[in-house]
Amino acid sequence: KAGVTQTPRYLIKTRGQQVTLSCSPISGHRSVSWYQQTPGQGLQFLFEYFSETQRNKGNFPGRFSGRQFSNSRSEMNVSTLELGDSALYLCASRPPGQGPGELFFGEGSRLTVL
Amino acid sequence: DAKTTQPPSMDCAEGRAANLPCNHSTISGNEYVYWYRQIHSQGPQYIIHGLKNNETNEMASLIITEDRKSSTLILPHATLRDTAVYYCIVRALNTPLVFGKGTRLSVIA
Repeated sequence: KAGVTQTPRYLIKTRGQQVTLSCSPISGHRSVSWYQQTPGQGLQFLFEYFSETQRNKGNFPGRFSGRQFSNSRSEMNVSTLELGDSALYLCASRPPGQGPGELFFGEGSRLTVL
Repeated sequence: DAKTTQPPSMDCAEGRAANLPCNHSTISGNEYVYWYRQIHSQGPQYIIHGLKNNETNEMASLIITEDRKSSTLILPHATLRDTAVYYCIVRALNTPLVFGKGTRLSVIA
């Protein structure tokens, strides 16, 4: 079974640009979460989508947005990039069901903003 | 903010058991205890979770105190590949995982 797939794995942007990151969850998983990891702040929750609806949102500015498609694939977008947006962006999916459920993480997209 | 407290770092000799403590004194009755680990430059990996009872799987054992205010993750025979940052997280259903700073475990040959 394929794991969570994130693309691109690495990218470099300049300040003021925007970026779109993609995440394909494990087949059958309908919940997708996004996290940002930086050396200073650690792993921080961005948002979670379930069945194309945002279910939870972290404390990030409106420049950070996301969406989920009917096939459960998800994208996140960061507009007007700042140097501090340089980070590893991680996507995770969760199996269906109401139980506690583990999150399966992808390898991440490493964004560098120059 | 993370609701757990963990030591910043620990060492363990290869082949010995690694016992990683976690304090979660403000845990609520509906919150589970989760453990994840992150090996350098990879996404976090789920290890185990529990509510009240001790749990064991092929990777580790989770011991939760009776009052649920603390827990210990046990890796029975640590190997060099277990060197990672280990995160203890408390979480209620349908809420996000909130990661703290974790414990950096170094397994030494």
